[in-house]
Amino acid sequence: QKEVEQDPGPLSVPEGAIVSLNCTYSNSAFQYFMWYRQYSRKGPELLMYTYSSGNKEDGRFTAQVDKSSKYISLFIRDSQPSDSATYLCAMSAGGGNKLTFGTGTQLKVEL
Amino acid sequence: SAVISQKPSRDICQRGTSLTIQCQVDSQVTMMFWYRQQPGQSLTLIATANQGSEATYESGFVIDKFPISRPNLTFSTLTVSNMSPEDSSIYLCSVTTGGASVHGYTFGSGTRLTVV
Repeated sequence: QKEVEQDPGPLSVPEGAIVSLNCTYSNSAFQYFMWYRQYSRKGPELLMYTYSSGNKEDGRFTAQVDKSSKYISLFIRDSQPSDSATYLCAMSAGGGNKLTFGTGTQLKVEL
Repeated sequence: SAVISQKPSRDICQRGTSLTIQCQVDSQVTMMFWYRQQPGQSLTLIATANQGSEATYESGFVIDKFPISRPNLTFSTLTVSNMSPEDSSIYLCSVTTGGASVHGYTFGSGTRLTVV
């Protein structure tokens, strides 16, 4: 079993839809949770960062962490074609610890 | 956040040869990381490169296959040695941004390697 599980998609939605992306994990030591966006032929860029459980909102993006269920989510409201990318979840146990990534979910937002 | 320049962006290499990938950062950073991203798989950490000491390799990766140099706080290289088709992948360097409480990592654009 992988430490971090993420549905690879692809996920196709119409413009304006609400997108829900999710990851589950097995390591209870993970405390820091991140979402990265990766456009084709580019490196991943940090989108959201959350410590421990709870919600964090930034514009159209909301990150949720439920440590009791070992489940994290990224919601994208009013999705745009420019949101089409691969979204990777990542997590670590603490300062200086390595990141463990999910496989990424490929999202396509269609006009 | 730091800006990373990684090169080459892509290369096609013959099996048995070696390729050195360069990573240049626009600011001094303590730790630099090298990842591999294979199709359909998650980013996998190869090693952590610290200035002034030997790199720390993750399980499954060895120095003879992936030698790393870190001559100063803004530069690192990763060499993929004695390549085989199984080494075809995207290789990315990364640095941490912010303090110890911030876990954002900045990535280079990657090197897309094809071994034939």
